Amino acid sequence: NAGVTQTPKFRVLKTGQSMTLLCAQDMNHEYMYWYRQDPGMGLRLIHYSVGEGTTAKGEVPDGYNVSRLKKQNFLLGLESAAPSQTSVYFCASSYSPVGSGRSDEQFFGPGTRLTVL
Amino acid sequence: SQQGEEDPQALSIQEGENATMNCSYKTSINNLQWYRQNSGRGLVHLILIRSNEREKHSGRLRVTLDTSKKSSSLLITASRAADTASYFCATELRNRDDKIIFGKGTRLHILP
Repeated sequence: NAGVTQTPKFRVLKTGQSMTLLCAQDMNHEYMYWYRQDPGMGLRLIHYSVGEGTTAKGEVPDGYNVSRLKKQNFLLGLESAAPSQTSVYFCASSYSPVGSGRSDEQFFGPGTRLTVL
Repeated sequence: SQQGEEDPQALSIQEGENATMNCSYKTSINNLQWYRQNSGRGLVHLILIRSNEREKHSGRLRVTLDTSKKSSSLLITASRAADTASYFCATELRNRDDKIIFGKGTRLHILP
């Protein structure tokens, strides 16, 4: 099993450009998440999905959109990139949902390092 | 400040020594998890401890949870060079369906 994979690994954008980050998991997990990690800060949740065709906002959703058309894929889009979106982006998936005391471990991808000039 | 805060921010110890990291939080939780992140990699789950548990072990790892003090500790015994990494606690907040809050992490460096 590949676990959670992310593409691309690195990307440099100019302000205003758009791009899509792809996350794929082969563990048949219902729940998927997008986080960003900035220096000196913990991971912050951008958006998440509780199943195919459903998405929800996390802690820092502004400037991002997501889609979950297939259970195994979770896409993160930046429509008009800004320097403040320079970060490392992590996708994660889990078998159980976050919340209600039922959460279990999340499986993380290797990350995408994005620089916006 | 954030829900989960690790202490210390950075720790350097000799190989073979024990390493202890702490996590403090502010509001009631359902559970607390510890993750490890090697440089340039994604996070890897280590241990989950639920609010009704006080201690859990996994190999050389020992996690304690004191809900009265709102704190948890991660002990790594007999440290190895491969333990060099950042360690994060993540708290699942009670009554908040979408909330797992990650702390800023402790950077652990094992000296040869």
